[in-house]
Amino acid sequence: DAKTTQPPSMDCAEGRAANLPCNHSTISGNEYVYWYRQIHSQGPQYIIHGLKNNETNEMASLIITEDRKSSTLILPHATLRDTAVYYCIVRSNTGNQFYFGTGTSLTVIP
Amino acid sequence: GAGVSQTPSNKVTEKGKYVELRCDPISGHTALYWYRQSLGQGPEFLIYFQGTGAADDSGLPNDRFFAVRPEGSVSTLKIQRTERGDSAVYLCASSLNPGARNTIYFGEGSWLTVV
Repeated sequence: DAKTTQPPSMDCAEGRAANLPCNHSTISGNEYVYWYRQIHSQGPQYIIHGLKNNETNEMASLIITEDRKSSTLILPHATLRDTAVYYCIVRSNTGNQFYFGTGTSLTVIP
Repeated sequence: GAGVSQTPSNKVTEKGKYVELRCDPISGHTALYWYRQSLGQGPEFLIYFQGTGAADDSGLPNDRFFAVRPEGSVSTLKIQRTERGDSAVYLCASSLNPGARNTIYFGEGSWLTVV
């Protein structure tokens, strides 16, 4: 599975949109982009995933560039409870282990 | 239950002892994964089961670590002769089927401390 690169930390004001970038320049055509987050002392929580098209659910939106080499997770109205480490992961249909890296530590500021 | 359940949630053991960590996946999920997370790091892959068989155990650090899933549902991670370096959160996850189209859901983890 392709590796990903994320900034180590970001701040966001409460109520504003949080935009978390991820670089996956070696992604191949059958690999999906997944986002998880981990709030302190809890297990990773699934947020959203996509292959080529942009995706939206009740938690977030995922924007994938046309060349699929990068993506952005958008939390439209960040709350204090969104403070967590966010992981961008690339998964292939044949790979059953995937690389979390160290993620982006997002701090939502009141 | 609704989610992946792991027991115990916390375990403190002495160096050299044997430990078992249990995982109940989401009902009907055929794929099951074990990950390990050390402080300040992202989760690292240990082993993957498809049904009863370990399809990929390449992440197990050494032969002190072993996992089983005898009936294709509950899995047990077994650690022999524990060392202080084994202290970590052990995460279990499951998905309905293997493959990237199937979302993987994680449990809350078992916190292991070896003293």
